[in-house]
Amino acid sequence: DIQMTQSPSSLSASVGDRVTITCRASQGIRNDLGWYQQKPGKAPERLIYAASNLQSGVPSRFSGSGSGTEFTLTISSLQPEDFVTYYCAQHNSYPWTFGQGTKVEIK
Amino acid sequence: QVQLQESGPGLVKPSQTLSLTCTVSGGSITRGGYYWSWIRQSSGKGLEWIGNIFYSGATYYNPSLKSRVTMSLDTSKNQFFLNLTSVTAADSAVYYCARALGGARPWGQGILVTVSS
Repeated sequence: DIQMTQSPSSLSASVGDRVTITCRASQGIRNDLGWYQQKPGKAPERLIYAASNLQSGVPSRFSGSGSGTEFTLTISSLQPEDFVTYYCAQHNSYPWTFGQGTKVEIK
Repeated sequence: QVQLQESGPGLVKPSQTLSLTCTVSGGSITRGGYYWSWIRQSSGKGLEWIGNIFYSGATYYNPSLKSRVTMSLDTSKNQFFLNLTSVTAADSAVYYCARALGGARPWGQGILVTVSS
């Protein structure tokens, strides 16, 4: 199985801050990675597909980059609704696997 | 747009079979070359992909669950299904269905399933 190591597991930040979340794959996955946002009590929603493509309707403050084994999700200016949990997930090979999540908290 | 809705019992006894249905609306499960996925989320193990089924019936299961999982579909009802046998408390989770192509989107709202006597 491909292990997805996401860091940090949590972070504290303020409205307007720029934050970066990292996901590392245990082997190369090309750009077969998505980033998901999960609000409390809700299903995850995809923000980024193919590592760097913004899902339609997602604010442009979200961006993704990376290829191979190292990936990042950046939020350029945190908004109040962004203080939730984020996951990466690879679909390069079965079984599909998820990172353990990053909870973004208000400082 | 495509929407998914999970249904099934919220409580299952240990050693029994968990059976869930995902009803798809706003698009046919036979069109578009999509896979249809089951994913679960428990507090202990985070998000875990269970398996995919293609409209042809081809399936791909997580090896960690493969001996207990069966996925199927009913194209006439635009539904797909999950059966998980011999459940234990470790199978208690929120179960999601999702459409998948290059990742999962959209997801259903999820259904909480508790395994308890």
